[in-house]
Amino acid sequence: DVKVTQSSRYLVKRTGEKVFLECVQDMDHENMFWYRQDPGLGLRLIYFSYDVKMKEKGDIPEGYSVSREKKERFSLILESASTNQTSMYLCASSSPSMGYNEQFFGPGTRLTVL
Amino acid sequence: AQTVTQSQPEMSVQEAETVTLSCTYDTSESDYYLFWYKQPPSRQMILVIRQEAYKQQNATENRFSVNFQKAAKSFSLKISDSQLGDAAMYFCAYRASWGKLQFGAGTQVVVTP
Repeated sequence: DVKVTQSSRYLVKRTGEKVFLECVQDMDHENMFWYRQDPGLGLRLIYFSYDVKMKEKGDIPEGYSVSREKKERFSLILESASTNQTSMYLCASSSPSMGYNEQFFGPGTRLTVL
Repeated sequence: AQTVTQSQPEMSVQEAETVTLSCTYDTSESDYYLFWYKQPPSRQMILVIRQEAYKQQNATENRFSVNFQKAAKSFSLKISDSQLGDAAMYFCAYRASWGKLQFGAGTQVVVTP
């Protein structure tokens, strides 16, 4: 089974702090994604990556950056956390060579910025 | 831009009964995929069922089935013989053949004994 893990289930940070959210997948997937989930808005794509060192902006990239130095790891960075970045963050991975290129999700990180 | 609309914030169903969740989408593409994901309280997103737009036959996975109406751009999910373990948030999602997943706002399913 595909396994996508995220470094923390819950995280509390202060306004202005630099925050790193880590995601690791174990199935050699080319594609990795970061979403933000908010009530009434569903999941919104922040950034995605099709390959190592490649990144593409999603629908809401403002205030975020990403890093993909290794194929299995995709990091989301909040350069200076703000209260409006309090949310659930979900990582996913997929491979175009597998089935329907369906995405497999991690368990999510609930981030609170105080 | 594609949009996915789930008009039911919450649906309640009794155990063993059937519930139908609605989803509509907007697209000008002819080739795309549609998905229903389940997110239980554990927060782990699980793929429930998928449908390719070029297939006329509705997808079925055990107690889960879809009613795909391409012309109406409608993709509803039917849960038959509901079980307590079906209680979760359900998300409808769209993806063009080349594109990114677009999610609806979600429908919370409550199962009562």
